[in-house]
Amino acid sequence: KQEVTQIPAALSVPEGENLVLNCSFTDSAIYNLQWFRQDPGKGLTSLLLIQSSQREQTSGRLNASLDKSSGRSTLYIAASQPGDSATYLCASMDSSYKLIFGSGTRLLVRP
Amino acid sequence: EAQVTQNPRYLITVTGKKLTVTCSQNMNHEYMSWYRQDPGLGLRQIYYSMNVEVTDKGDVPEGYKVSRKEKRNFPLILESPSPNQTSLYFCASSLDAGLGTQYFGPGTRLLVL
Repeated sequence: KQEVTQIPAALSVPEGENLVLNCSFTDSAIYNLQWFRQDPGKGLTSLLLIQSSQREQTSGRLNASLDKSSGRSTLYIAASQPGDSATYLCASMDSSYKLIFGSGTRLLVRP
Repeated sequence: EAQVTQNPRYLITVTGKKLTVTCSQNMNHEYMSWYRQDPGLGLRQIYYSMNVEVTDKGDVPEGYKVSRKEKRNFPLILESPSPNQTSLYFCASSLDAGLGTQYFGPGTRLLVL
């Protein structure tokens, strides 16, 4: 059974810092890997989706990479801002379109 | 406006009283899904649907039912709710299961007494 882990559980950084959030998964037979953002008391927003055949995806200051062989994905946030403060979730989708989430990394960007 | 709507947003009920949480999307999406979010357990998929009349179990389907009779609607049914189904529920949809960005509803907070 697929297990998705995110480390660290929480992260506090000063504004302007570049940072990396980690996501690992136990079964490399994934269909895609997805990153989401959740703001307190609100719903989820999809950030990036990486197909199993891809190595990375970029959107603005966000870059997500995927290494299936090692069971890892990273979300890189450049020049962090206080508005980036949120919980970031990764999720793997298998070939039957089932989605398994990690427990998230709670990010605080201090002004 | 493209959106996923859920109703009700908040619900307090008692054990055993059947309830339905509705989910509707106006984007002609094929893939729809239900999740529950619990402290310490994160977000878990309950059921998903690739298209009309096609549904499949997620990670935690026990105690839930779904149906997909129309493309836009994907209701979540709790036939006999129990306190352990107290949770925050999210519905989501995407154009395609494996390719599309998922759009989430605002969530339904359910308390089962």
